[in-house]
Order: sequence, then structure tokens, then C-alpha cells
Amino acid sequence: QQQVKQSPQSLIVQKGGISIINCAYENTAFDYFPWYQQFPGKGPALLIAIRPDVSEKKEGRFTISFNKSAKQFSLHIMDSQPGDSATYFCAASTGSGNTGKLIFGQGTTLQVKP
Amino acid sequence: NAGVTQTPKFRILKIGQSMTLQCAQDMNHNYMYWYRQDPGMGLKLIYYSVGAGITDKGEVPNGYNVSRSTTEDFPLRLELAAPSQTSVYFCASRSSNTGELFFGEGSRLTVL
Repeated sequence: QQQVKQSPQSLIVQKGGISIINCAYENTAFDYFPWYQQFPGKGPALLIAIRPDVSEKKEGRFTISFNKSAKQFSLHIMDSQPGDSATYFCAASTGSGNTGKLIFGQGTTLQVKP
Repeated sequence: NAGVTQTPKFRILKIGQSMTLQCAQDMNHNYMYWYRQDPGMGLKLIYYSVGAGITDKGEVPNGYNVSRSTTEDFPLRLELAAPSQTSVYFCASRSSNTGELFFGEGSRLTVL
């Protein structure tokens, strides 16, 4: 019940296309859902996060869509660029993220082709 | 501003050897974490600390120990290295203002 399942494992998108990564969870106590971006040789860095009181959050080309009833959330990258090529992790936690004890998905390696 | 600093970046150990991964942060964050990252498995929480002198187990604590004598430092100790501990280890600290985790650049450990 603590798992967060992420798909796909890898994704190849043409420059300018839309990248979509999906995550599903079982624990209804989760109330904080961040996405982290990781470049090779670096640690993950926070990209965008959402709480379940809203269904969508947009920051620039990055959008989180959240479906509470389906227990799913997704990351959409609009107008994907080669610089977006990285590994993306969804995550979830309880306590509004205050403990920082994140449960991470398995990760998605995104390649954006020029 | 250095953020979270991990040392060493790379290390090869023999089975049964011991070592300590160092982690230091200069952001005065109370919460600190150790994660391990394995291919296709995401990041798994090993140990965490909510402040100096307080530590607790995460999802995968077996084979590891931690201490937190200061706010800045959170070392991870491997006592008897096993091949299953071959991984990339990440230390992180958390901003109490935003909830954001700040990660170090990782320590790649190979146990042969």
C-alpha cells in the first residue's frame, strides 16, 4: 500500500512534442505529490508539486494533473526540448510533506530527440 | 552556497569491509535523509533524522547505521559491506519553509 507505481520506464519524444508520465498510488493518506528531475551524475531536484485539493498545477511547460478518485497523477511536459532529457521521479508522502519521507516511483528516463 | 555535499563520490569496497559516507549541509535544515538508488527501483529511504541527536529507520535500514551529532552532518555507516549494498547513495535535507528536499550529487559505491 506504500508503493507508487510509475510508467513508462522509458520514453522517447520528438522535440516540440508532449511527454506524459503517469503514476498511481494506493495509500489514500498520501497528501503531497512532488515530481523530481534528475540529470546524469546529479542528485534529483524538485520540479513541481501538487496537493490533492487541486486537480491541476502548471508551471511553465510542466503540468501536474491529479485524479483523486482514480488515485493517479501525471506529469505533462509541453513543447518538450532536448534539455528536458533526464530521469523523472514521481513521489508521495503523508503529513502534507512535512516529514519529507517520500515514497518514490521507479523513475522514467525521458529522451527528447532534436 | 554549497547546499548538500557528499563524499566520497566513488568508492570500491571488498565484501566485509566497513566505510562511512559523509554528508554535510549548510542550509541549517533540521531534517536530513539517506536514500539509495538502484536501476528501475527509484529511491528507497534508508534512514532519516529530524534534528541533532534524533534518527529513525526508513524503508531499507538493514546493514546501515547513522548518527546526527550536529545539525550540519549526517554520516551513513556500512559495517560489513555486502554486494547487495552496491548502489548510488543520496543524502538530502529538507526546507521547513517549502518542504522541498535538496539532494547531494550522490556517492557511487561498488562492493566486490
